[in-house]
Amino acid sequence: AQSVTQPDIHITVSEGASLELRCNYSYGATPYLFWYVQSPGQGLQLLLKYFSGDTLVQGIKGFEAEFKRSQSSFNLRKPSVHWSDAAEYFCAVNGNNNDMRFGAGTRLTVKP
Amino acid sequence: NAGVMQNPRHLVRRRGQEARLRCSPMKGHSHVYWYRQLPEEGLKFMVYLQKENIIDESGMPKERFSAEFPKEGPSILRIQQVVRGDSAAYFCASSPRAERNTEAFFGQGTRLTVV
Repeated sequence: AQSVTQPDIHITVSEGASLELRCNYSYGATPYLFWYVQSPGQGLQLLLKYFSGDTLVQGIKGFEAEFKRSQSSFNLRKPSVHWSDAAEYFCAVNGNNNDMRFGAGTRLTVKP
Repeated sequence: NAGVMQNPRHLVRRRGQEARLRCSPMKGHSHVYWYRQLPEEGLKFMVYLQKENIIDESGMPKERFSAEFPKEGPSILRIQQVVRGDSAAYFCASSPRAERNTEAFFGQGTRLTVV
């Protein structure tokens, strides 16, 4: 079955600094990859997704992610973080049965 | 078009009672997924349902947990004889199609506390 690993449980960055959240997936075929964001007490909101084509995908709120098959990675990036980006971020991979699997999440703290 | 609606938002049950969590998918969505989120953990897949069918329940505990998505009405996640370890946030998501590139839309979750 497919799986996702997010190596960083918690990341702290200063407002205005760049951000990269790591995601590694395990799946035997072409992966369908997603990044979601969860604000405290809320459900998940889709930031972006990749399933084919250009390996650099743009999402909402200024986020982007790059699919690297050779590294089995789908890291999320943002050039300049805003205080409102503080949240929990989840990477996910969708399998043949449409059963989406999530990573454990990375909690982002933004320092003023 | 309302989003995915889950109710109740918060549910408190005593050990041994039953918990029933409801999820109304977005209009036009016939695929429903249930996830459990424990404190400091990620989302754990529980079950994937289409109308009147369970497609994948590989993440469901073998005992006390069941799910349904009837032809009419919301999807129900039922936990019988709850224990303290069932305390978690339970999220429902829905999608319009079974295609892998289709995003799932999430509800705000039901936070179950077992006392």
